[in-house]
Amino acid sequence: GQNIDQPTEMTATEGAIVQINCTYQTSGFNGLFWYQQHAGEAPTFLSYNVLDGLEEKGRFSSFLSRSKGYSYLLLKELQMKDSASYLCAVMDSNYQLIWGAGTKLIIKP
Amino acid sequence: EAGVAQSPRYKIIEKRQSVAFWCNPISGHATLYWYQQILGQGPKLLIQFQNNGVVDDSQLPKDRFSAERLKGVDSTLKIQPAKLEDSAVYLCASSPGSGDLNEQFFGPGTRLTVL
Repeated sequence: GQNIDQPTEMTATEGAIVQINCTYQTSGFNGLFWYQQHAGEAPTFLSYNVLDGLEEKGRFSSFLSRSKGYSYLLLKELQMKDSASYLCAVMDSNYQLIWGAGTKLIIKP
Repeated sequence: EAGVAQSPRYKIIEKRQSVAFWCNPISGHATLYWYQQILGQGPKLLIQFQNNGVVDDSQLPKDRFSAERLKGVDSTLKIQPAKLEDSAVYLCASSPGSGDLNEQFFGPGTRLTVL
């Protein structure tokens, strides 16, 4: 079966750095997405990786290793507004998005 | 550019009643998705349309759920009759339908509570 694993919840301090891991087992691979979802709101796109390596976009970076079925989202200089759920999703061989359950990130002052 | 529109934003019904949700995707987006998101879980794809044709409805409970996308633009999702376990947020998303990224853009969702 297809599976996406990510931690249920993480806590970090304002101004610090946090890394959210995602491992996947899917039938084929056509890219990995990270979405941010604030409570009661719709997911919004953060990043997309299809090749191995690091993609940097401001305070957020996303890393992919296809051979290990592994990705992480790195958030730097954490702000209170970064408190949200972070969803990892993989596009399989049928170009369907397989979603993880999300990691709830709690930022403390 | 206008985003994905959904209505209503909230709906409370009793079990065995019927309910319908409406979605208007981003103009020009060929692909439209309906997801169900239960609290604390990731979105679960119910149905995917490419223009007005169904691409994937393998996870749609067809005995009670139906969806259509007439003219390849707006879409409606219906539940008839509703069950308690249908309480969830129903998200509509759209994407251009081509290109490497094919990012999905989500609407604000409809929060359904079945009593």
